[in-house]
Order: sequence, then structure tokens, then C-alpha cells
Amino acid sequence: EDKVVQSPLSLVVHEGDTVTLNCSYEVTNFRSLLWYKQEKKAPTFLFMLTSSGIEKKSGRLSSILDKKELFSILNITATQTGDSAVYLCAGDTGGFKTIFGAGTRLFVKA
Amino acid sequence: EAQVTQNPRYLITVTGKKLTVTCSQNMNHEYMSWYRQDPGLGLRQIYYSMNVEVTDKGDVPEGYKVSRKEKRNFPLILESPSPNQTSLYFCASRSPIGGTTNYGYTFGSGTRLTVV
Repeated sequence: EDKVVQSPLSLVVHEGDTVTLNCSYEVTNFRSLLWYKQEKKAPTFLFMLTSSGIEKKSGRLSSILDKKELFSILNITATQTGDSAVYLCAGDTGGFKTIFGAGTRLFVKA
Repeated sequence: EAQVTQNPRYLITVTGKKLTVTCSQNMNHEYMSWYRQDPGLGLRQIYYSMNVEVTDKGDVPEGYKVSRKEKRNFPLILESPSPNQTSLYFCASRSPIGGTTNYGYTFGSGTRLTVV
């Protein structure tokens, strides 16, 4: 059965800390790994990773995929209160099915 | 503005009363999907559609129907809603992988459904 597991389930940090969110996956016909940020509304797209070992960056956020170990991480450096959200990762099969993890709830204290 | 529009945003209904949640996208995306989100379970796929008149079941299709008569619209139908269908529902659309844009899904704002 396809599954995506995220850890930790929740995390509380102080502003300025660096956090690492984990995502492991077992997805048949895997094509890409997606990361989303969800605040009090719809998820918004962060990254799509298709190749192993190539880091993608957007400001203070970065992510990398390990297709051998079936694993991805999302790093956030110098966290801010605006980073507080649920972060979702998903294994994608190229448009047919997308399997989401349960998410990591991040709370950044001022 | 490129968007996915869902209606209604909130809905309270009674068991057994048929309802439809509408979804429309203006990005000419071939691929559309419905998800439900429940605490601790993340987003679970209900149905997806790869193009007009092409739909298939996701992981939790029981109790739901969909149709894709036009590219822009993908309504979710609950013929006889039950309390276990109380959830937050998201419609989403995307271009196929390998197209000129690979930005993952664009999600609608969500529909919070309560079945009593």
C-alpha cells in the first residue's frame, strides 16, 4: 500500500531557529515529491523534487530528495512566526495519484 | 487571476440529503482532483480526472460521485451524505507532469461540510 510518513508530527521552535522536517515515502510509480505549506486555508505549493541529490531553494526554505532511501527533507533557516503552519509532503505518480502525508505542524514562538 | 473556485465554503446538511460541491478552474488544466482532509490523516484523494469524461477513483471514493463534462468544472456529488463524510474538502487542478509548468496542484479554498 502506498504511504507517505512525515515526522515529527508537531514541532515548537523559537524565532531564528533552524528546523528540519522529514518525509519518507513508499509510492508505486513514483515520479516526484511535493512539499506544501498550509496555513488556515488551502495548501500552497513550495517545491517539486524529481531528481535525487539536487537541492531546491526558495529564500530560507530548501529541500532535497533521496530516491535511494525514499526520503526527503525540508529545511527552514532563521525561522519566523510567519513560518508557523502545517507542512505537507506528497508522493506523486505523474498526475494519476498523489499520496499526502499527515503533515508536520510547526509553531514558531516570537 | 489563476484560481480554483469552490462553492460553498461552508455547508451544514442532514443525513441523506443530496448535495453538490462545485469546483471550477480557469487555468485550462487537464487534471483535477478532490481531496478530503481530516485531523491526523492528511489529505486523502477521493476522485481524480485526467481530462473531460475521464475520471477514476482515488483512495476513499465510497459515498461520492464526480463528473467531468467540461474541462473547467469538476463537481463532487454526495448522493446520500452521512456523518462520517463530515470533513474539509479541497478541489485541486494541475498541468500534467512534463508540461511547461510543473508547479504541483493549485488548490481551491476548501469546503467545510458538516453532516448531522
